[in-house]
Amino acid sequence: GAGVSQSPSNKVTEKGKDVELRCDPISGHTALYWYRQSLGQGLEFLIYFQGNSAPDKSGLPSDRFSAERTGGSVSTLTIQRTQQEDSAVYLCASSFRFGAGYNEQFFGPGTRLTVL
Amino acid sequence: AQKITQTQPGMFVQEKEAVTLDCTYDTSDPSYGLFWYKQPSSGEMIFLIYQGSYDQQNATEGRYSLNFQKARKSANLVISASQLGDSAMYFCAMRLVGTGNMLTFGGGTRLMVKP
Repeated sequence: GAGVSQSPSNKVTEKGKDVELRCDPISGHTALYWYRQSLGQGLEFLIYFQGNSAPDKSGLPSDRFSAERTGGSVSTLTIQRTQQEDSAVYLCASSFRFGAGYNEQFFGPGTRLTVL
Repeated sequence: AQKITQTQPGMFVQEKEAVTLDCTYDTSDPSYGLFWYKQPSSGEMIFLIYQGSYDQQNATEGRYSLNFQKARKSANLVISASQLGDSAMYFCAMRLVGTGNMLTFGGGTRLMVKP
């Protein structure tokens, strides 16, 4: 079956512009996560969605970052007024469900964002 | 707050030899899961192995095994019979059960397999 897909694979933008990054999780996965991988900060959790529950936004670095998940499937991460420090690879992951026990997260290929 | 530490930024191993990648973690929560992921130069994160905090036996998956020492809070990955394709970044990660399901990652170890 299809894995997690992300688009675009690469995005170059100018400082101050808004960008939208898209994630299509694996069909049937109710949990969706966004992470950021940058040279200085390693892999950081940003936000996660579980079903129809309110998302956990505790990892978002500033109010310029927001995300939504429509219909319990596709998610869009939006970065407003991009800054150079936003340059990173943004990874999306999905899993079957939140909760106890083994619950592997499957990662997408990532979107490499470069802010000039 | 939980923390994952990988003290080896880079390692070399000879092809066909075994290698151990270190991972220590810090949490006061008794229920957690530990994961290892491989990230080749292509960038995708590939799940390797999982260990639950209550699992009595060390996890194994093919050439991968996890040396879980709960009292020491360590979860080292052992790769047996290294192959050239094992050259990649390796990340140790932890998830706390019952709270947010996000993974906390260590800084990673770059493994280079020499022919």
